[in-house]
Amino acid sequence: GIQVEQSPPDLILQEGANSTLRCNFSDSVNNLQWFHQNPWGQLINLFYIPSGTKQNGRLSATTVATERYSLLYISSSQTTDSGVYFCAVGYYGGSQGNLIFGKGTKLSVKP
Amino acid sequence: KAGVTQTPRYLIKTRGQQVTLSCSPISGHRSVSWYQQTPGQGLQFLFEYFSETQRNKGNFPGRFSGRQFSNSRSEMNVSTLELGDSALYLCASSFRQGSEQYFGPGTRLTVT
Repeated sequence: GIQVEQSPPDLILQEGANSTLRCNFSDSVNNLQWFHQNPWGQLINLFYIPSGTKQNGRLSATTVATERYSLLYISSSQTTDSGVYFCAVGYYGGSQGNLIFGKGTKLSVKP
Repeated sequence: KAGVTQTPRYLIKTRGQQVTLSCSPISGHRSVSWYQQTPGQGLQFLFEYFSETQRNKGNFPGRFSGRQFSNSRSEMNVSTLELGDSALYLCASSFRQGSEQYFGPGTRLTVT
């Protein structure tokens, strides 16, 4: 089945720093989403980005489907950006279901 | 528009019991998916329903089942609970299969 790998697994930043999170996937997918999981467990949608580039405030994402990777950029990080960031790819059929998640990147932003 | 809601938010059960969790999707969304999150296995797909039909099922034992009602609300049931079923159960809704999924706050199940 499809493998989704996220890097780095852990990231510690000072407030104001920029960061890049990476998501590699092993096969063609139908779509890709980025989520932020807050300390209470809620998954918050960041981007639905099967291909191309999108921006939302300090966050932006780029997916290069032909090369099977996606990048999430966080600029001028704030303490409220702390949490776990998940990449999930959409693949239909088989037992893997319709969203396959990576293991996440745990981000800690220090004041 | 109201988001995805899940009830109950927290649940404590004893090994061998059964449990039913509920999910109400965003209005107009007809696809509902369920996921289990544990520290060891991460986020894993359980099943997906669309228009009251199960469209896809993950690699979980038959103790895990679900259904969807005509108003798109969905329930999942776990019978004969085991300690390993302790997890955060997340429900997601989308307009159709393949479109953006939106998650509810989850139900945290503890099995003792």
